[in-house]
Amino acid sequence: TQLLEQSPQFLSIQEGENLTVYCNSSSVFSSLQWYRQEPGEGPVLLVTVVTGGEVKKLKRLTFQFGDARKDSSLHITAAQTGDTGLYLCAGGHGSGNTGKLIFGQGTTLQVKP
Amino acid sequence: DTGVSQDPRHKITKRGQNVTFRCDPISEHNRLYWYRQTLGQGPEFLTYFQNEAQLEKSRLLSDRFSAERPKGSFSTLEIQRTEQGDSAMYLCASSLRQGRLETQYFGPGTRLLVL
Repeated sequence: TQLLEQSPQFLSIQEGENLTVYCNSSSVFSSLQWYRQEPGEGPVLLVTVVTGGEVKKLKRLTFQFGDARKDSSLHITAAQTGDTGLYLCAGGHGSGNTGKLIFGQGTTLQVKP
Repeated sequence: DTGVSQDPRHKITKRGQNVTFRCDPISEHNRLYWYRQTLGQGPEFLTYFQNEAQLEKSRLLSDRFSAERPKGSFSTLEIQRTEQGDSAMYLCASSLRQGRLETQYFGPGTRLLVL
């Protein structure tokens, strides 16, 4: 069974602080997506990384895909209250017939003013 | 709005009743996925369609669950004889497979509560 382990599961920080969320697996994925989900809504895609060692930046968010394509991290600089939400990583296998995603259990982020 | 839509957004039912959910994917997306998400967990894959063909089903999908995509456009997910353990958010996603890359776009979900 392929698993994606996210850590930490919960994070409560003050506005302006930095944070990093980790996503680890023993399996190799051809792509890794990060989603953000608000309560009662579906996940919204933030980024897709496909190349080992790849780093992508989205404003204050920095995403990294591990060299071996088994792990990823999301770093947020100077967190804002609007960053509050559930962050999910999801691994995909692009080479096979199925595009199903394997999700981590999520990291709930609370940014306090 | 050209995103993925799901109906209903919320459903409360009594144990033993049947329920049906609908998903309308983004136009021209050939793949459609169903996932289930329980509180505090990430979504879990249930099944997916490429056009009208159902190509994979998870072991999570018991024989009380059935999904269809009759014309390769919208899809329905039916749960028969609902149980309290079926209470969850049911998410639909659609994608257009282009080479190795595939981006799934999720709908807002249908939250099911079985009493």
